[in-house]
Order: sequence, then C-alpha cells, then structure tokens
Amino acid sequence: NAGVMQNPRHLVRRRGQEARLRCSPMKGHSHVYWYRQLPEEGLKFMVYLQKENIIDESGMPKERFSAEFPKEGPSILRIQQVVRGDSAAYFCASSPPEGWGTEAFFGQGTRLTVV
Amino acid sequence: KQEVTQIPAALSVPEGENLVLNCSFTDSAIYNLQWFRQDPGKGLTSLLLIQSSQREQTSGRLNASLDKSSGRSTLYIAASQPGDSATYLCAVRGGSGNTGKLIFGQGTTLQVKP
Repeated sequence: NAGVMQNPRHLVRRRGQEARLRCSPMKGHSHVYWYRQLPEEGLKFMVYLQKENIIDESGMPKERFSAEFPKEGPSILRIQQVVRGDSAAYFCASSPPEGWGTEAFFGQGTRLTVV
Repeated sequence: KQEVTQIPAALSVPEGENLVLNCSFTDSAIYNLQWFRQDPGKGLTSLLLIQSSQREQTSGRLNASLDKSSGRSTLYIAASQPGDSATYLCAVRGGSGNTGKLIFGQGTTLQVKP
C-alpha cells in the first residue's frame, strides 16, 4: 500500500503563473487535508475535502486559491497568479472514511518557489 | 478555537539522555492526538496516535501520554540517539466546532549530540 503521493516534489513558478499541486491519498482513504508550511513556521491548515465535497476551507485564502477532490483522480490544490509570498512547502494528508478517530498520514510535500 | 502549544521550542541533549517533550491544547473535546516527526526538508512521519479514551501509547523507545482533562500530552524518548534529531510535532483532531482537521503545535526541534 503506497503512502500519500504528492507531485511534483519541487515546483518553480514565475510571479503571475499558476501552480497546480497534486495529492493521491492512500488506498481506501477518502479524506484529504492540505496544509502550508512557511520557512521556520508550523503547519497551517488550509482545506479539508472528501470525495467531491469541500468540508472545511476556513484556512484557505479567499482569493487565488482553490482545491478539489474529484470522484476519480487526485486532489488538486490550485494557486492562480502566484506571488512571492506563496513560496512554501505544501503538504497533503489523508485518512480513512471510518471517522475522525483514525490516523492521518502525510505525503512528502511539494516545495513551491515563486521567482 | 482550539490552540496547540509545544514546549520547549528547541532542545539540545547529549546522546543517551531520556527526555520529555510537552504539548498542551486549549479545548479538551478532542477525538485523538498524534505525534509526528519531521526531518529537515522532508514530510511528516506519524509516530504515535492516542485516542481520546486512551492514556498512553508506546512504540519502541517512544512513549506518549494523554491527559485530556488537563489538555496535556507528553512524548517521552528513552536513551536518545543522534538519529532522533528532528522536529517533533503534536497535533490534535477535534475541539468544539472542529470539522475533524488536525491542528498543529509549532513543534520542538531536538538535537541529540554524539
């Protein structure tokens, strides 16, 4: 059973471009969470999704950021018109559908650099 | 609003020493608490998961305790080794009004000197 897979591992974008980050949860997991980690800072929650539904997007910036988790395929975190302040490590986690008492597993992250 | 605090922020110990990392949370209505390890530039590795009904969990040289009523957890590392050097993160799931997301502390960066 492969772990949580994120790609790409490293992404470089020029200011104003779009960044697409992908997350494939562990097999059988239907809950996905995205977090952002700025240099020398902790992990900040962004969004929590289940298949085809956004459950909690309270940590997502109101503009330029969006997330989806379609019925088929990976979860996508999309950042439009990137700015230097978007440079960070973005982590995805997944957990099984049996409820919130289950263990969450994280991917290796995507490190976004905006130049 | 659930808040998680970890003390100390950094810790340096000689090899072989036993040590304790602390985590506190403000809302005791949690589902579980998870301890993670993060190496520089890497992802998070789950170390231990403690359910709200449990008092402790053990894995090898690691022991995590949970006192839900007082909002505290500790991670005990026995006979520390240089390979234990990393940042240790505590995360809780739950709290009044929480949708089930994990809320993290700022982490404790541990250095074990040979």
